[in-house]
Amino acid sequence: GNSVTQMEGPVTLSEEAFLTINCTYTATGYPSLFWYVQYPGEGLQLLLKATKADDKGSNKGFEATYRKETTSFHLEKGSVQVSDSAVYFCALSGGNTGKLIFGQGTTLQVKP
Amino acid sequence: KAGVTQTPRYLIKTRGQQVTLSCSPISGHRSVSWYQQTPGQGLQFLFEYFSETQRNKGNFPGRFSGRQFSNSRSEMNVSTLELGDSALYLCASSLAGPPADTQYFGPGTRLTVL
Repeated sequence: GNSVTQMEGPVTLSEEAFLTINCTYTATGYPSLFWYVQYPGEGLQLLLKATKADDKGSNKGFEATYRKETTSFHLEKGSVQVSDSAVYFCALSGGNTGKLIFGQGTTLQVKP
Repeated sequence: KAGVTQTPRYLIKTRGQQVTLSCSPISGHRSVSWYQQTPGQGLQFLFEYFSETQRNKGNFPGRFSGRQFSNSRSEMNVSTLELGDSALYLCASSLAGPPADTQYFGPGTRLTVL
């Protein structure tokens, strides 16, 4: 079945460091891919998405490219801020199940 | 445009009781999905409603049920609560529904079962 695997956390970085959170997926067909972010005590916020191969999603300095050949959708940001500290979820949506399948989440902590 | 709203935000119940959670989707959105989030299992899909019909269902026992009203608002009910039902319950809405549509999440209802 469809699945999403994210790198283990927590990830601890200093402010202005480069961020990469790895995400790989297994799916039949052509799923849409998403990154959601969850701040403490809140629900999920859509960060970015890509709906087909080679699409690049971007928002608030974050980017991710849909790589079908490597079945990956890695999240990157050139310079993280303390306010980026949160849990990041990679997810896919596809087939006719009508559901998002999430990775286990990666906690990011950015220190000043 | 107002986002997805969920009520109540926090609930404390005891084992054996039942609970009803409410979700109001973004105006114009006709699909509502529900997810359970726990530290051990992560985010798991419960079910999805579209135009008052359950279209998809996850692997949860029959104690978990839901419905959708003509105004697209949705409720989720859990009967005979167990300790393991303690979780954050998230509702998400989308225009026409998954799989391609983007889902927008509410803040969640934190359920604690004692």
